[in-house]
Amino acid sequence: AQSVTQPDIHITVSEGASLELRCNYSYGATPYLFWYVQSPGQGLQLLLKYFSGDTLVQGIKGFEAEFKRSQSSFNLRKPSVHWSDAAEYFCAVGPISNFGNEKLTFGTGTRLTIIP
Amino acid sequence: NAGVTQTPKFQVLKTGQSMTLQCAQDMNHNSMYWYRQDPGMGLRLIYYSASEGTTDKGEVPNGYNVSRLNKREFSLRLESAAPSQTSVYFCASSSQGVPGNTIYFGEGSWLTVV
Repeated sequence: AQSVTQPDIHITVSEGASLELRCNYSYGATPYLFWYVQSPGQGLQLLLKYFSGDTLVQGIKGFEAEFKRSQSSFNLRKPSVHWSDAAEYFCAVGPISNFGNEKLTFGTGTRLTIIP
Repeated sequence: NAGVTQTPKFQVLKTGQSMTLQCAQDMNHNSMYWYRQDPGMGLRLIYYSASEGTTDKGEVPNGYNVSRLNKREFSLRLESAAPSQTSVYFCASSSQGVPGNTIYFGEGSWLTVV
């Protein structure tokens, strides 16, 4: 069965500092991988996704993620965080052969706090 | 540009009461979903509808029913609410036939069962 692990429940960084959020997955084949962001009181919004090609994926809001097959990881990075990046971040994995999203598995999330 | 709209935003129910969460999308998507979000559990799929006229169980369907009223609307019903159903509920939609298609989420419905 597929699974997603986000080992950090809560991360605090200073505004302007770099950020890396960790995501490890378990899946038997090449998966689809996603990062979603949830601002307080809001639904989830897609940041970026990977399913093939270049292993470094660019997303919205200046975020990027790198797929490392050997480490089963898909870590999210941003060079310089802004106060508006404070939110909860979810990694998700799904089978590449599925045209719908009913097989998507979400991680438990990492809450990001930004300090001035 | 509404996207996915769900109502109500907040609701308090007594144990045993019933209620329906309404959801509508204006993106002409075929697939719609209901998730629940609980602390430390991430999002878990309750039910989904791959297309108009079809519904299927997700990971945690017990205690819920759904209706895909038409292509736009997908409702979630709690027939006899229990405290374990206190959660934040998200409706979502996506197109079909495109690998890795994006899921679009509503803003959530906060449900408390006392």
